[in-house]
Amino acid sequence: NAGVTQTPKFRVLKTGQSMTLLCAQDMNHEYMYWYRQDPGMGLRLIHYSVGEGTTAKGEVPDGYNVSRLKKQNFLLGLESAAPSQTSVYFCASSHSLDRAPRTYEQYFGPGTRLTVT
Amino acid sequence: GEDVEQSLFLSVREGDSSVINCTYTDSSSTYLYWYKQEPGAGLQLLTYIFSNMDMKQDQRLTVLLNKKDKHLSLRIADTQTGDSAIYFCAESRDTGRRALTFGSGTRLQVQP
Repeated sequence: NAGVTQTPKFRVLKTGQSMTLLCAQDMNHEYMYWYRQDPGMGLRLIHYSVGEGTTAKGEVPDGYNVSRLKKQNFLLGLESAAPSQTSVYFCASSHSLDRAPRTYEQYFGPGTRLTVT
Repeated sequence: GEDVEQSLFLSVREGDSSVINCTYTDSSSTYLYWYKQEPGAGLQLLTYIFSNMDMKQDQRLTVLLNKKDKHLSLRIADTQTGDSAIYFCAESRDTGRRALTFGSGTRLQVQP
């Protein structure tokens, strides 16, 4: 099992450019998440998905869009990048079953470091 | 992370015990977690505790939960240089999205 993988690992964008970050998981998880991590702050939830074909907003969704066309993939798009979107982006996935006590355990990818100049 | 607070930095000597503290605000939290992030990597689950427990021990790790004060701590016994990392506490709430709320992370530096 590769677990959760993310591509690319690094990217530099100019303000106004667009890009898509890809997350893939091979654990047959229903739930997937996109977080951003900024210095001195915890991870903040951008968008999430509770199943194929469904997405929902998290705490900081502005400027991002997502799609979950296949169960194993969760894409994060930036339509017009801004310097405030410079961050490290993490994807995570989790089970859908209520298998206590690890119900909410999330498995994380290695992250994508994005710089917007 | 405003609902979950941690100190930003802790430095200890190799062989000493480390204690990382966390406070949370949501009394309905079901599970509380400790995640570890090594440099350049994603987060990995270290341990967790159910909200009706006071303490959990897992090898070198001891988790203490004071539900009245909404205080969680992680004690690492015999800290090694390989324990140097950022430690995040996180709480889960019984919501449909199953998302976690993370603290800002505590950077643990272990001096040889």
